[in-house]
Amino acid sequence: ELKVEQNPLFLSMQEGKNYTIYCNYSTTSDRLYWYRQDPGKSLESLFVLLSNGAVKQEGRLMASLDTKARLSTLHITAAVHDLSATYFCAGYTGTASKLTFGTGTRLQVTL
Amino acid sequence: EPEVTQTPSHQVTQMGQEVILRCVPISNHLYFYWYRQILGQKVEFLVSFYNNEISEKSEIFDDQFSVERPDGSNFTLKIRSTKLEDSAMYFCASRGPGRNEQFFGPGTRLTVL
Repeated sequence: ELKVEQNPLFLSMQEGKNYTIYCNYSTTSDRLYWYRQDPGKSLESLFVLLSNGAVKQEGRLMASLDTKARLSTLHITAAVHDLSATYFCAGYTGTASKLTFGTGTRLQVTL
Repeated sequence: EPEVTQTPSHQVTQMGQEVILRCVPISNHLYFYWYRQILGQKVEFLVSFYNNEISEKSEIFDDQFSVERPDGSNFTLKIRSTKLEDSAMYFCASRGPGRNEQFFGPGTRLTVL
């Protein structure tokens, strides 16, 4: 059964700084997803990573996937307050494409 | 842009009562899902539905839960006899044919008293 772990669970960072969120998963996962969730809100899809070595960037966020290490990273460049949210990675398993979510990383960007 | 919608946004019920949570997936999508998120915790898969039947379900999805697509547009989750521990945010999601992404609805917050 696929297990997904994220670290750190909580991240407080200053505006302008860089940081990386790590997502490890336990068994083969065909795809890796990153979602953003604001408090009390739904899940917003950020990235879908389909293959080993995949890298995707959108604004200050960049996600990568290393299937051999079973590791995905979400890198934040020059953080701004608007990026404060909880970020989830999710692996994909099964013929029905069930998502298995990580524990989430709550990011707080301070001024 | 098409989106998944859910009703109600918040449902308060007494323990032991039945609740039905409703979802309208994106119109050309074929795969439907329910997930739940207990406050402050991670999102957990409940069930997936394709071609009018359950494709996969988690151990959380016991006999108290059922899903239905009654009219070709709505997708419902019924909890027959709610328990306190059913209090959570319930998200519906859908996926189109040949697509990788699941699109999530805004969620229904279920509070069981």
